Amino acid sequence: LAKTTQPISMDSYEGQEVNITCSHNNIATNDYITWYQQFPSQGPRFIIQGYKTKVTNEVASLFIPADRKSSTLSLPRVSLSDTAVYYCLVNQGGKLIFGQGTELSVKP
Amino acid sequence: SAVISQKPSRDICQRGTSLTIQCQVDSQVTMMFWYRQQPGQSLTLIATANQGSEATYESGFVIDKFPISRPNLTFSTLTVSNMSPEDSSIYLCSTGRGGVYNEQFFGPGTRLTVL
Repeated sequence: LAKTTQPISMDSYEGQEVNITCSHNNIATNDYITWYQQFPSQGPRFIIQGYKTKVTNEVASLFIPADRKSSTLSLPRVSLSDTAVYYCLVNQGGKLIFGQGTELSVKP
Repeated sequence: SAVISQKPSRDICQRGTSLTIQCQVDSQVTMMFWYRQQPGQSLTLIATANQGSEATYESGFVIDKFPISRPNLTFSTLTVSNMSPEDSSIYLCSTGRGGVYNEQFFGPGTRLTVL
């Protein structure tokens, strides 16, 4: 199974762009890369998913290089409400395996 | 999307007893998943429950300890049996359409404390 590695924590300020990078060195050909967000006392919430190159939605962008051994979640202009834990996952046939996650703290 | 509810939202139980957690989805889904999240930790997948078949358990989890039912396409239960304080966790269910491109939706979780 592909294992993901990401920073344990990050700090940012309101209005800044935040980039969280995740490594997944042994990702398989059919695996997708997915990011989830979790607030305290809530279940995780889907943010974005991609296979290669760049994916953008109304919340974030996901950058995946050609070798797919890493990915970067980009959150534009974060606000205090973006303080949460962000999980990078490899989606293997519909089964999600969570890594340790990155605790993002956004300060005023 | 799918809206998931869980019952109970929290419970405090005595050692040696069992608790059954219910998970209800507002639409019919094929795949349902059960996770455990210990305090301050990430989520760990317990098992995958597909309607009409036996649940598939991940390494470290066994059916005798965590029996799962999946009677129809909108409902599942997870029982935590013969509980010990080490079972104190948040238990979450989730669902998705399945396949490699798969957005999963999670319930709010059940916070279990075992004394």
